[in-house]
Amino acid sequence: EAQVTQNPRYLITVTGKKLTVTCSQNMNHEYMSWYRQDPGLGLRQIYYSMNVEVTDKGDVPEGYKVSRKEKRNFPLILESPSPNQTSLYFCASRDRDSPRELFFGEGSRLTVL
Amino acid sequence: GQQVMQIPQYQHVQEGEDFTTYCNSSTTLSNIQWYKQRPGGHPVFLIQLVKSGEVKKQKRLTFQFGEAKKNSSLHITATQTTDVGTYFCAGPPNTGFQKLVFGTGTRLLVSP
Repeated sequence: EAQVTQNPRYLITVTGKKLTVTCSQNMNHEYMSWYRQDPGLGLRQIYYSMNVEVTDKGDVPEGYKVSRKEKRNFPLILESPSPNQTSLYFCASRDRDSPRELFFGEGSRLTVL
Repeated sequence: GQQVMQIPQYQHVQEGEDFTTYCNSSTTLSNIQWYKQRPGGHPVFLIQLVKSGEVKKQKRLTFQFGEAKKNSSLHITATQTTDVGTYFCAGPPNTGFQKLVFGTGTRLLVSP
């Protein structure tokens, strides 16, 4: 089954404690992206990757890091989480050259105390 | 930067009533996509429109792309409780497909 898998689905952490949200897709997609969803603001892009070892900032990259060492994985790293990073995070992927649909993961709800 | 706004932010209708959400971009879009997110779920692709003035239908849903490629609309005829969710438009600027900018979303609630 074609899917994008995120872990953890839910996480409560404290300010400053580094965490990583993993994302893996099994569709051989070149393009992967991270979004955060906040009430009234829709989905805002954090980082995206056009292919292995190629990453670029989205609209709200501050406080986040990503890496793309393998085609299927695109982890999101919060080196020192802060309360304003409390949000619902989605990973998504698609074919790089096809301006068509994004396939989303189930989402990861993060709370930073 | 590019901004995509949707109105209304929220709408509550009775089952059987029609519903429309409007999407407006600050810049010209190369195409427009629509997604639906059920409560507690993730966004799921509905459709893509590419041509200026294009209209597409999916059963009770009608999607339209504006002539200037800066706005779009989604109309649902005779809503059903299964239509509940948040509807997002999304579009890449003409400069490239990698930055798919999502609208602010319209949350639809349908009462039986």
